[in-house]
Amino acid sequence: QKEVEQDPGPLSVPEGAIVSLNCTYSNSAFQYFMWYRQYSRKGPELLMYTYSSGNKEDGRFTAQVDKSSKYISLFIRDSQPSDSATYLCATSGNTPLVFGKGTRLSVIA
Amino acid sequence: DVKVTQSSRYLVKRTGEKVFLECVQDMDHENMFWYRQDPGLGLRLIYFSYDVKMKEKGDIPEGYSVSREKKERFSLILESASTNQTSMYLCASTGGGWPQHFGDGTRLSIL
Repeated sequence: QKEVEQDPGPLSVPEGAIVSLNCTYSNSAFQYFMWYRQYSRKGPELLMYTYSSGNKEDGRFTAQVDKSSKYISLFIRDSQPSDSATYLCATSGNTPLVFGKGTRLSVIA
Repeated sequence: DVKVTQSSRYLVKRTGEKVFLECVQDMDHENMFWYRQDPGLGLRLIYFSYDVKMKEKGDIPEGYSVSREKKERFSLILESASTNQTSMYLCASTGGGWPQHFGDGTRLSIL
């Protein structure tokens, strides 16, 4: 079993939709959880970072971590065409980050 | 803002050449990383370094080496480039336990 599983998509939604992106992980020692956004031909940029279970909100973005089920989510409210990108989840304990393979999202105007 | 700069955005080399990819960060970070990113395979860790002159193998170190002579600079070396090393190469850095910050990548083609 891979350490971090992420549905690659692609996911296509209309502008204004609520988007849900999800990952599962296998190592219960993981304690840091991140979401990165990667536009085409650019490097990943950090979007959200959380240490614990629960929700963290930043504008239209909400990151959710459920350590009991080893499940991490990113919700995007009122999605915009500028949100079209690949989203990568990442997690770690005391080792280098382990990344999901990324979900490609397209928001259609 | 953290700045991670990779020396080239696009690079074309021939098989058998020795290739150097350079990465510089401006935040005095202790930790630096090299990844390659391929469609369907995601990000794969090649090498990382926790300090000057230190290096650790990642998941796919074969065919690569690294050099870290100064804290701000981490170089990836392809000793004898092969076509299966055509990829997007990403450098990242972090310090103090914060998440990694990435450069914009070098798209390397080996012909």
